[in-house]
Amino acid sequence: AQTVTQSQPEMSVQEAETVTLSCTYDTSENNYYLFWYKQPPSRQMILVIRQEAYKQQNATENRFSVNFQKAAKSFSLKISDSQLGDTAMYFCAFLGEGLTQGGSEKLVFGKGTKLTVNP
Amino acid sequence: DTAVSQTPKYLVTQMGNDKSIKCEQNLGHDTMYWYKQDSKKFLKIMFSYNNKELIINETVPNRFSPKSPDKAHLNLHINSLELGDSAVYFCASSQDRMGRAEQYFGPGTRLTVT
Repeated sequence: AQTVTQSQPEMSVQEAETVTLSCTYDTSENNYYLFWYKQPPSRQMILVIRQEAYKQQNATENRFSVNFQKAAKSFSLKISDSQLGDTAMYFCAFLGEGLTQGGSEKLVFGKGTKLTVNP
Repeated sequence: DTAVSQTPKYLVTQMGNDKSIKCEQNLGHDTMYWYKQDSKKFLKIMFSYNNKELIINETVPNRFSPKSPDKAHLNLHINSLELGDSAVYFCASSQDRMGRAEQYFGPGTRLTVT
């Protein structure tokens, strides 16, 4: 079964600085999708960025970018120029194609990293 | 316009009661999901429906029964509520059955069982 590990339960960063959130996963599938979701105090789950495993180029969305290392099964999120509104829980998530034994169409989440941006 | 809506947003009830949470999406998506987020913020899928057909059913107690009257609605009914059912329940939808497209989440329903 797929697992997603976020090793940093909490992190903090000063406004305008850069922070990197770690995520590793375990899978035997060759093709899959990776996501970062943000959950601010409002509780709403918001997609930040997604990466398709067959694409070698790292995804970017404005101030958010990922470092996808397929061989290492690592998918870290970098937030540049941190803003107060970035304060939230961040969840890394994995979606396989379910084509291999133990594969699944289910979105599997890590336990989250609580990020606080300080003024 | 709200893309995925849930009612109610807060639900407080006593053990043993039966309750329902409603979910509606106006995005025209074919696939809808229910997730449970526990007190430690861990988020886990419970059910997935594609065009009113159940496609994912995790190891959830059979006290939980999803119902999809049409592809825009996916309701969650819970019988004989227990203390351990207290959590935030999220509904979500996506255009792609495989979930490769973005999943849009509702605002969540915080269920408290006393």
